[in-house]
Amino acid sequence: DAGVTQSPTHLIKTRGQQVTLRCSPKSGHDTVSWYQQALGQGPQFIFQYYEEEERQRGNFPDRFSGHQFPNYSSELNVNALLLGDSALYLCASSETPGSQAYEQYFGPGTRLTVT
Amino acid sequence: SQKIEQNSEALNIQEGKTATLTCNYTNYSPAYLQWYRQDPGRGPVFLLLIRENEKEKRKERLKVTFDTTLKQSLFHITASQPADSATYLCARREDQAGTALIFGKGTTLSVSS
Repeated sequence: DAGVTQSPTHLIKTRGQQVTLRCSPKSGHDTVSWYQQALGQGPQFIFQYYEEEERQRGNFPDRFSGHQFPNYSSELNVNALLLGDSALYLCASSETPGSQAYEQYFGPGTRLTVT
Repeated sequence: SQKIEQNSEALNIQEGKTATLTCNYTNYSPAYLQWYRQDPGRGPVFLLLIRENEKEKRKERLKVTFDTTLKQSLFHITASQPADSATYLCARREDQAGTALIFGKGTTLSVSS
């Protein structure tokens, strides 16, 4: 049973460029959340997708956008990259909201470096 | 806004001792708190969830407590081993409706033999 997978593993981009990160949830999960983790910090919630809609959003600018596909996989897009966007981007999947199963399963992350 | 704090950035202990990590939260009591383990360069791994009506929860050598009066959770690892060395994260729900999480900064535990 495959866990959460993310691609790519590492990415180097230049300031002002755009980037797309991808995530496939754990089998049986239909909810995907994205987190940004700066060095030495805990993960910070970006947004959550369920039923192909953004259900919750953290305190991130509109440059951060996402999408969920019918097979529950998800993409995170970041436009107009800033140096401060350099971080580990984590995807987490979980069961349907309201299922009483609250734990989240994280992927290995994508390390984004903006130069 | 909701906050969650892990006061110690680093904790160093000898193998065989009990490690105790602290997590404090602000504002309303979350329905539950979660603890995760994170190894360098990897994603967090879920360890335990404790609900606000549970005083204590155990899983093998791990024990978590939840004190709604103190607004605090304690995470214990008994008979610690070098393999327990990692960063441990405490998390609460961002709001009362959803399942998105707010994480603390984490406490990095080092167990020496």
